[in-house]
Amino acid sequence: DAEITQSPRHKITETGRQVTLACHQTWNHNNMFWYRQDLGHGLRLIHYSYGVQDTNKGEVSDGYSVSRSNTEDLPLTLESAASSQTSVYFCASSERYPGLNTGELFFGEGSRLTVL
Amino acid sequence: KNQVEQSPQSLIILEGKNCTLQCNYTVSPFSNLRWYKQDTGRGPVSLTIMTFSENTKSNGRYTATLDADTKQSSLHITASQLSDSASYICVVTLANSGYALNFGKGTSLLVTP
Repeated sequence: DAEITQSPRHKITETGRQVTLACHQTWNHNNMFWYRQDLGHGLRLIHYSYGVQDTNKGEVSDGYSVSRSNTEDLPLTLESAASSQTSVYFCASSERYPGLNTGELFFGEGSRLTVL
Repeated sequence: KNQVEQSPQSLIILEGKNCTLQCNYTVSPFSNLRWYKQDTGRGPVSLTIMTFSENTKSNGRYTATLDADTKQSSLHITASQLSDSASYICVVTLANSGYALNFGKGTSLLVTP
């Protein structure tokens, strides 16, 4: 079955370190997204990509970067981790633009990151 | 300002009982509204989508309603089961946007034996 997987599922790191969260999907979806989820907030968009070599900033992109070298993967990099980036991160993909009626998002299981 | 407000924030009900979750939005122009279910420690999964012209849609024991005039949606769960314990997230899409999804903060539902 097609799926979307994230790794690692849990990570503890120190302030200032570079961290990369992996996201891999086997649906061959062009659209991929990274969200963070924090208590008291809805899911917030960090970065998104509509295809290979395409990347765009979301509403909370400061301190994060992504690259899209193939259809299956969209790794999220924290260049210099900060305590404010402690969160649960979700990767998602969709076949259609998520704003469309057919644009259902398929989420990964999440990566819990703690920055000490 | 959050354009999608969900209520209640949390809810505890007994197994077998019914419950209704609310979603009020100010997003305009409106395109569609989705309800997602998020089990603890998992990613959200789509339950149903409501478009402008739809009033009611069912998915098993889940029934979503939409009143586009008052900008309100509800998710009714019938004969609740322990497996319904989860967070339910309302997501509203702005018309003519590609990625611009407006997420509610979710309602946390606990079904007890």
